[in-house]
Amino acid sequence: ETGVTQTPRHLVMGMTNKKSLKCEQHLGHNAMYWYKQSAKKPLELMFVYNFKEQTENNSVPSRFSPECPNSSHLFLHLHTLQPEDSALYLCASSQFNGELFFGEGSRLTVL
Amino acid sequence: DQQVKQNSPSLSVQEGRISILNCDYTNSMFDYFLWYKKYPAEGPTFLISISSIKDKNEDGRFTVFLNKSAKHLSLHIVPSQPGDSAVYFCAASQRSGTYKYIFGTGTRLKVLA
Repeated sequence: ETGVTQTPRHLVMGMTNKKSLKCEQHLGHNAMYWYKQSAKKPLELMFVYNFKEQTENNSVPSRFSPECPNSSHLFLHLHTLQPEDSALYLCASSQFNGELFFGEGSRLTVL
Repeated sequence: DQQVKQNSPSLSVQEGRISILNCDYTNSMFDYFLWYKKYPAEGPTFLISISSIKDKNEDGRFTVFLNKSAKHLSLHIVPSQPGDSAVYFCAASQRSGTYKYIFGTGTRLKVLA
């Protein structure tokens, strides 16, 4: 198993759909993250979880709803998204004060 | 306001020469800096980091320099290889338990054979 696994790799959804992105880390880290990468923009931090507790919500719209049931799993629930939400969504994990380990990303297209 | 800036969106370098990628930051509280490399359709991979107590860190062909007074860091790759062609992101954080890493927009490096 690779360190950080994201599924699905590609997702196409309509604006009225509800879908979820899943992330799993096999590194024994205590922190997990969602980042958004849009074209020509920096990686934008969305959420941080430390030992299952959310420690950062970077003013993300409520149509994105994270869930962290344990230190190894992280979800991003998506509903009533807009076309401008189309982007690459990256999950990462880290140990305390350590570098981030990223998954390969989920490419989301909202029609 | 962007706290971490990479002002060069792209850079082309001849194989065997030195590649220098630059990054500026505005928040003087940042004390830990990282460089990541990203290939298309893959997630970023960690390259090298530096703490603010140092001004240089070296790992093989990669060296990161930190100039705290100028709030500037740079990544040197020497010698550059075609496989180094990728997008490079710098990131910064405060190591006081915030777990918050701020990234720049990236620089696309192309190493010409």
